[in-house]
Amino acid sequence: EVQLVESGGGLVQRGGSLRLSCAASGFTFSTYAMNWVRQVPGKGLEWVSYIGDSGSTIYYADSVKGRFTISRDNAKNSLYLEMNSLRAEDTAVYSCARVLNGGEEAFDLWGHGTMVTVSS
Amino acid sequence: DIVMTQTPLSSPVTLGQPASISCRSSQSLVHSDGNTYLSWLQQRPGQPPRLLIYKLSNRFSGVPDRFTGSGAGTDFTLKISRVEAEDVGVYYCMQATQFPFTFGPGTKVDIK
Repeated sequence: EVQLVESGGGLVQRGGSLRLSCAASGFTFSTYAMNWVRQVPGKGLEWVSYIGDSGSTIYYADSVKGRFTISRDNAKNSLYLEMNSLRAEDTAVYSCARVLNGGEEAFDLWGHGTMVTVSS
Repeated sequence: DIVMTQTPLSSPVTLGQPASISCRSSQSLVHSDGNTYLSWLQQRPGQPPRLLIYKLSNRFSGVPDRFTGSGAGTDFTLKISRVEAEDVGVYYCMQATQFPFTFGPGTKVDIK
C-alpha cells in the first residue's frame, strides 16, 4: 500500500527538541521530493520545509529557519524533521507530504500526521 | 511571500447544486517555465488533505469530473458542478510557484 506514516511527536517543554520521522512505503521514495506541513487542530495548513529527491535541495519557512532541519535517508525510505528551540507556536500536527512526480509541484500523498505539543 | 486569500470562508450548499470557491494570490503564479503551480486540496473531517487539482486545471487521478479548476495569473476558481454529501470539508488552494509554498485560509463547505 502506498502510504506515509509519521511518528515522533509528543509533549515537550519550550526550548526543547524533538525528531519527527516519516516512513514511506509502496513507492520508490528516492525519486520523490518531500515536504513537512503543519496544522494547528481546527486551523489551516502551513508549509514548513521541502527537500528534493536526493536531499541536496532544501527550503524552510521563515518561521522555522535556523531551528528546524529536514533530512532524508533514501536507503531507509524515511524523511525526518529535527526540531530545536521549540516554541509554543510550534504546537501543531506535523504531516509529511509527497510532491507529485514530473515536476508538477503539488502534494499528492499525505500522512495522517503526528501531534507536537510545546508546553510553556 | 505570496499571500493566498479565499472567498467565501464558509459555503453552505444544497445537495445537487453547484458551488464555487475563489482563490486570489498577492502576485502572479505564472512560473518562469510558463506553468501556474496552483493546486486545490480537500480536507474531509478527521482526514489528511487530498489533492484534487494541480497545475491550475489538471484533475488528479480518481477525482470526480464534477471538480473543475480554472483561472489565470492571480485569480483562480474551484467549481463543483453538483455537490454531493461526500464533498463536505475544507478546501484549500496552494501555490507552489515560489518558495515559501503558501496555502489559502481554507473554505468550509457544508450542506444546508
